[in-house]
Amino acid sequence: QKEVEQNSGPLSVPEGAIASLNCTYSDRVSQSFFWYRQYSGKSPELIMSIYSNGDKEDGRFTAQLNKASQYVSLLIRDSQPSDSATYLCAVQISSGTYKYIFGTGTRLKVLA
Amino acid sequence: DTGVSQDPRHKITKRGQNVTFRCDPISEHNRLYWYRQTLGQGPEFLTYFQNEAQLEKSRLLSDRFSAERPKGSFSTLEIQRTEQGDSAMYLCASSLGDRDHNEQFFGPGTRLTVL
Repeated sequence: QKEVEQNSGPLSVPEGAIASLNCTYSDRVSQSFFWYRQYSGKSPELIMSIYSNGDKEDGRFTAQLNKASQYVSLLIRDSQPSDSATYLCAVQISSGTYKYIFGTGTRLKVLA
Repeated sequence: DTGVSQDPRHKITKRGQNVTFRCDPISEHNRLYWYRQTLGQGPEFLTYFQNEAQLEKSRLLSDRFSAERPKGSFSTLEIQRTEQGDSAMYLCASSLGDRDHNEQFFGPGTRLTVL
């Protein structure tokens, strides 16, 4: 089992819809979770961080964390064609190390 | 520009040659990370520094790879005797190092092509 798993997609949604991106992780002691957006040929750009169970909202983005289920998700409301990118889930898997473990990313396509 | 910078942005080399990449982190950040990313994969951790100390190195990292951060500011990543399998995007990131918040910010990357 991979440490951080994401569906590779592509996930296609129409413009204006809600895009839901999911990520599961294997290490129960993981404390910190991050979502990055990566356009083709570019480097990852931090969108959201979440550390506690529940929802965290920032503009059109909402991150959701459920540590009991080892599940973190990202919702994008009012999706725009400019949101078309690969979304990477990253987990800081345990205390004592500050490296991230990344999923393979989910490719999102927002159709105009 | 106060973000993470990397140099060069692209490097083409022949198999067997040595290459060196440089990363300049965000100025107040004391942690610096190197990752490698290949097509269709997420970034893979290579190593990280806190100030000048190299605290962790991936077990998957070949002895041909070495990294330094001599004065706790910029860092270099050297690959000796490059192989075609080293072709990838090499990403540098930095973070502030506050225990409760470790948000990493990435530079633009160095794309390495080994012929």
